[in-house]
Amino acid sequence: AIQLTQSPSSLSASVGDRVTITCRASQGISSSLAWYQQKPGKAPKLLIYDASSLQSGVPSRFSGSGSATDFTLTISSLQSEDFATYYCQQFKSFPFTFGPGTKVDIK
Amino acid sequence: EVQLLESGGGLVQPGGSLRLSCVASGFRFTSYVMNWVRQAPGKGLEWVSTIDNSGATTYYADSVEGRFTISRDNSKNTVYLQMNSLRAEDTAVYHCAKYYDFGRSPFDPWGQGTLVTVSS
Repeated sequence: AIQLTQSPSSLSASVGDRVTITCRASQGISSSLAWYQQKPGKAPKLLIYDASSLQSGVPSRFSGSGSATDFTLTISSLQSEDFATYYCQQFKSFPFTFGPGTKVDIK
Repeated sequence: EVQLLESGGGLVQPGGSLRLSCVASGFRFTSYVMNWVRQAPGKGLEWVSTIDNSGATTYYADSVEGRFTISRDNSKNTVYLQMNSLRAEDTAVYHCAKYYDFGRSPFDPWGQGTLVTVSS
């Protein structure tokens, strides 16, 4: 199975900060990577698919990049509604796998 | 509006069984692959199972293979997860989710989930 690691596991940031989260795959997955945002008690929400495509309705401050094994999610200017946990997911092959998550909280 | 509504969760003893349902609306159900993903309390996301749009092809996580069965009834716009031989480690919120696109793709949207608690 393809393993995904994320770093950092958590971070504290202020409104307006630029935030970068990294996801690394144990083998190449081309661009078959997605990013999700999850708030407490809520279902995950798709932010980015195919590594860098912004899902409809998602603010443009979110962006994704990378291919093969190394990927990043960037929030260009953190807003109060962005405090949440972020997960990457590979859909290159079964079993689909998720990263362990990165919790973004208020500094 | 696309909606996914899960039901069927609850408290069950170890070794017991439960069937989850997910009713879909707002899209052409027969065109999309459907999935189940779970999240144990305070933990991350774990993919559980996937079923293709016809119901002919299914995939399972190793952790549930042989105990869980995914199925769908396209006439009822519903996907099911039959869970047998339940263990304490199966305790989680179970979400159903639709493939975002027609090919292999990420999940969007997700249902709110139904809580399964396995305990004596």
